[in-house]
Amino acid sequence: AQKITQTQPGMFVQEKEAVTLDCTYDTSDPSYGLFWYKQPSSGEMIFLIYQGSYDQQNATEGRYSLNFQKARKSANLVISASQLGDSAMYFCAMREIGMDSSYKLIFGSGTRLLVRP
Amino acid sequence: DAGITQSPRYKITETGRQVTLMCHQTWSHSYMFWYRQDLGHGLRLIYYSAAADITDKGEVPDGYVVSRSKTENFPLTLESATRSQTSVYFCASRDQTRKSQETQYFGPGTRLLVL
Repeated sequence: AQKITQTQPGMFVQEKEAVTLDCTYDTSDPSYGLFWYKQPSSGEMIFLIYQGSYDQQNATEGRYSLNFQKARKSANLVISASQLGDSAMYFCAMREIGMDSSYKLIFGSGTRLLVRP
Repeated sequence: DAGITQSPRYKITETGRQVTLMCHQTWSHSYMFWYRQDLGHGLRLIYYSAAADITDKGEVPDGYVVSRSKTENFPLTLESATRSQTSVYFCASRDQTRKSQETQYFGPGTRLLVL
C-alpha cells in the first residue's frame, strides 16, 4: 500500500533563511511521481514542484527544490531564502504510475510552516 | 478566465438533505478528481473520472455520487448529507503537458457544513 509520511506537523524559519520540509514515502511500484503543494490560509492548493521516479536530476522551480533520495525513499522540499508569504501548510503527495493506479494522488498530513520576520 | 472553478464556495445544509457541489474546468483535461480535506488530515480521494462517462471510486466514496456527462464538468452529490461529511471539498484536474505530465491542478475548494 502507498503511504506518505510528513513527520513535522509545524516548523518555524527565519525570513531569508532556507528550510527543509521532510517527506518519506513507501511504494512497491518502480514508477511513481512525487509532488509538493502549498496551501496558504486562503485555502487553495497550489502546485509547487514535481519529481518523477526516473528523473536523473533533482527538480527545481525557482526557490523550491526537491531533495530526492530514492534509496531512502525521501523527497524533501527545500525552500531557499524564505519569505513571509511562504507561511502556509505544505503537503507532500505521491502518485504511482502503474497500470492500476489510475493517476490517484496520496497525500501526507502536511507541515505548517511559519516564517518569522 | 481559464482554470478550474467550484461552486458554491460555501454551503450550509442539514442532515439528510441532498447537496451537489459543482466543478468546471476550461483546460479540457481528461482526468478529474474530487478530494475532501478534514482538519488535521491531508486530502483523501473520493471519486475520479478518466473521461466523460467514466468514473471510479477513490479512497472514501461512501455517501457520494458523481457523474460526468461532459468533459468540463464533474459534479459531486451527497445524496443524504451527514455531519461526518462536513469538510472542505476540492476538485482537481490533471495536466498532461510534457514537462509536468502528472500534475493535478486544484479548484479553490468548497467549504461544506452539515448541521
